[in-house]
This record gives sequence, structure tokens and C-alpha cells, in this order.
Amino acid sequence: DAKTTQPNSMESNEEEPVHLPCNHSTISGTDYIHWYRQLPSQGPEYVIHGLTSNVNNRMASLAIAEDRKSSTLILHRATLRDAAVYYCILRDDGHSGGGADGLTFGKGTHLIIQP
Amino acid sequence: DTAVSQTPKYLVTQMGNDKSIKCEQNLGHDTMYWYKQDSKKFLKIMFSYNNKELIINETVPNRFSPKSPDKAHLNLHINSLELGDSAVYFCASSPRRGGGLRAFFGQGTRLTVV
Repeated sequence: DAKTTQPNSMESNEEEPVHLPCNHSTISGTDYIHWYRQLPSQGPEYVIHGLTSNVNNRMASLAIAEDRKSSTLILHRATLRDAAVYYCILRDDGHSGGGADGLTFGKGTHLIIQP
Repeated sequence: DTAVSQTPKYLVTQMGNDKSIKCEQNLGHDTMYWYKQDSKKFLKIMFSYNNKELIINETVPNRFSPKSPDKAHLNLHINSLELGDSAVYFCASSPRRGGGLRAFFGQGTRLTVV
């Protein structure tokens, strides 16, 4: 799976929007862009994913650049419960079977929410 | 109902022992995984298991062996435990292999080897 680059940490205020960036300049045509988050002492939790078009769900929105080399996770109104490590992950749909299939986690962005 | 459940949540054991961590998913998924999160918080895939096909991450010692009695379970057996095995282990599942499919994770098992 191709590599992603995210800021180590970001800080935001409660009830304000948060934009979490991710660069993935080596993305291939079959890579989906996934976002997961991990709250303290919990397992990773799916947030959203997309391929080419922007995506919205009840948790967040995903804005994907036209060239797909970057994306932004948008939390429209952050709450204290959104404080977590957010991971941007590329997952190849053209998996050929070599190596263990699954998600390749990087360091993620530690999101801090100030009350 | 918990989608992916692991037991035990905490496990403390001595070096050299053999232990197992159980994982069950009630989602009807075809693919299950084991991940390891070390003290530096890096999450790494250990195994994926899909329709009786096991794919092992090449960095995983052969002391670790997943066993799947049926599609809903993927248990992790660890032989001759070492101090460096201390970590949080997460089980996960997804409908099948594929980039467009989300994964569901368990709450983790914190293994401490003393």
C-alpha cells in the first residue's frame, strides 16, 4: 500500500470545524482512501472512505483532490469526544495476494480538542 | 451486540508461557485480521485470514499462529512468550478482501509479559 503523510498533531476548539489533511502523492488508480480514528484505550474505528469523489456520512466528510494526491477529512463540528488519533490509509483494491492484506497504519494525526 | 469481540481484555503472563487470545465476529464477514500495537502506538498487520487462506506478515515470528475453527472466529496462539510480545493486540474483520471495504475492530487485548 502506498504511503501517506499527515501532521503529527492538530488542535482545535470545541464546536468548530476541523480539517485534517493527508498527502498521498504516490497513490495508484486502485487505491481507496480510508480514514480511521482511535480513541484512547479503544480499537480503531472506521470514519469514512472514498475513491475519487467527495464523500459525506454522519461522522465526517472526505474531500479528495482532483489529482487524488491529497485528501482532507472534515469534522463539521468537533466535540470533545472527537479527540483521537486519526489515520489516513490507502488500501489497494487490486490486491494481488502478496503480503498480508489489511490496513497499513502510519503515525496518524493526534487531534486535540479544546473546550 | 458487539460486532468484533476479543477475550480476554487484559492478559498478564510470565515469559516462556503459551497463551491464546480469542476473537469472534458476528457480522458474517469472510476476512479476519490480527494487528499488534506496540508501546510506541504503531499498529501493524500480523495476519489476514480469508476463506481458509492465511497470509502472514513476514515479520511475525513463527511463535505466533492464528487458528480459525470456523468463519466467525480467529484465535491467536502465542508460544514461548517473550518480553517483547507485550503489546495490545487487535482483531478485526471485513466482508472480504478489497480496498473499498471497511474493517471493524475489536476493543483489543493488552498482553503484558513479565
